[in-house]
Amino acid sequence: KAGVTQTPRYLIKTRGQQVTLSCSPISGHRSVSWYQQTPGQGLQFLFEYFSETQRNKGNFPGRFSGRQFSNSRSEMNVSTLELGDSALYLCASSLGQGVGYTFGSGTRLTVV
Amino acid sequence: KQEVTQIPAALSVPEGENLVLNCSFTDSAIYNLQWFRQDPGKGLTSLLLIQSSQREQTSGRLNASLDKSSGRSTLYIAASQPGDSATYLCAVLISNSGNTPLVFGKGTRLSVIA
Repeated sequence: KAGVTQTPRYLIKTRGQQVTLSCSPISGHRSVSWYQQTPGQGLQFLFEYFSETQRNKGNFPGRFSGRQFSNSRSEMNVSTLELGDSALYLCASSLGQGVGYTFGSGTRLTVV
Repeated sequence: KQEVTQIPAALSVPEGENLVLNCSFTDSAIYNLQWFRQDPGKGLTSLLLIQSSQREQTSGRLNASLDKSSGRSTLYIAASQPGDSATYLCAVLISNSGNTPLVFGKGTRLSVIA
C-alpha cells in the first residue's frame, strides 16, 4: 500500500514569500501531524488534524497554519518566510492515537 | 513537561558488534514509545512500537525494551552492519486522547564501520 506522500520534495523560497506544503496520508488514516526538523532543535511538533479538525497545535507563530480536507489530505502554509524557517518539514499519518505513526519523506524548505 | 533524552548523541562501532541505544523520558506516564530510523535528508522509518503495557518488542535483529518505572527504553541491535548506519530516534506518546503529540529525543547518530 502507498505510504505517506509529501510534495514537493524540495523548495527554495525567498524571505517574505509564502509557501504551501502538501501531505497525502496512508489510505484510511484520518490523523495527520506536521513536524519541523532542524539540526539545532530536532523534531518539533507543529499541529495535528483529525477529520478536518485541528486537535492540537505546537508552539509556533501564527505564520504557520494548516488545514485538512475531507479526503484527509493536509496542507501546511507558512507566510512571510524567514531564514529560520529553513528546515525539513515532516508529515505523519495514523489511524488514530496510540497505534503508531508513519512518516513521509519530508519537504526540504530552504529560505534565502 | 515530558522531555526525551538520547545518549550518546553519536556512536561509531565496527561491523558485527552488538550495540545498545538508550532513550530516557522524564514522565513515566506514557501511552507508548516508538523507535524510528532516519537516513540523511530522509523521512523517518518506524522500527518498533512498544505499548505502555509491554516490556519489549522484537523485529529481526532489533529488540526494544521499555521500563516505564525508570523512564527508560533501549534499542538493541545485534550483529550490526554498515547498512544500519543512520540516526535513531525515540519518541513517546503521553496519551491517546488526541491532545498530545509525539515527543522526540534528538537522536543517536550511528556509524557502523566495515
